[in-house]
Amino acid sequence: KNEVEQSPQNLTAQEGEFITINCSYSVGISALHWLQQHPGGGIVSLFMLSSGKKKHGRLIATINIQEKHSSLHITASHPRDSAVYICAVHAGGTSYGKLTFGQGTILTVHP
Amino acid sequence: EPEVTQTPSHQVTQMGQEVILRCVPISNHLYFYWYRQILGQKVEFLVSFYNNEISEKSEIFDDQFSVERPDGSNFTLKIRSTKLEDSAMYFCASSGLAGAGANVLTFGAGSRLTVL
Repeated sequence: KNEVEQSPQNLTAQEGEFITINCSYSVGISALHWLQQHPGGGIVSLFMLSSGKKKHGRLIATINIQEKHSSLHITASHPRDSAVYICAVHAGGTSYGKLTFGQGTILTVHP
Repeated sequence: EPEVTQTPSHQVTQMGQEVILRCVPISNHLYFYWYRQILGQKVEFLVSFYNNEISEKSEIFDDQFSVERPDGSNFTLKIRSTKLEDSAMYFCASSGLAGAGANVLTFGAGSRLTVL
């Protein structure tokens, strides 16, 4: 049973395009994270959401708790945005960092 | 910018050997975590550590695994007798104060373990 599903699995875009990555989850959550993983493997936290919308630079993350769905948008995409984007949820429990991860979306932005 | 430091970046070991992966979390963080990612698979939670004890662990974290914070700065993951299937990238993470701060994780760059 996959608790966190992302779509698409692979995404190719031209520089400048608007990009959307979707995440659906099947459990009640207290928080949802969007993470970025570069080819070297390192993981960077982009957003932590429990409701509404957050924006940081060209990145926007939204969450709809009722529909159990979140989206990550990238405006004016750039080749340096190429990475794996991962959605992860905290589904309760005593430990805030006990996250359940999606499989990731591989984004490639061509110049 | 404060960062989580992991060593070694890559370790190759023989099956059955003990391995210790080391992490230096951000100094004022209170919660510490280990995750692993087998090549081509999802990142998986292993264990969380708070107030010098394990607060949660996954079913992956069996008796072959242990964690400790021996000196107040390092946070280590020990695998007692490595198996081939332990080959993975292991990520350490830490987070800060309780409440909203505890949800914001900072990850290390990872330690790649290869078991032969």
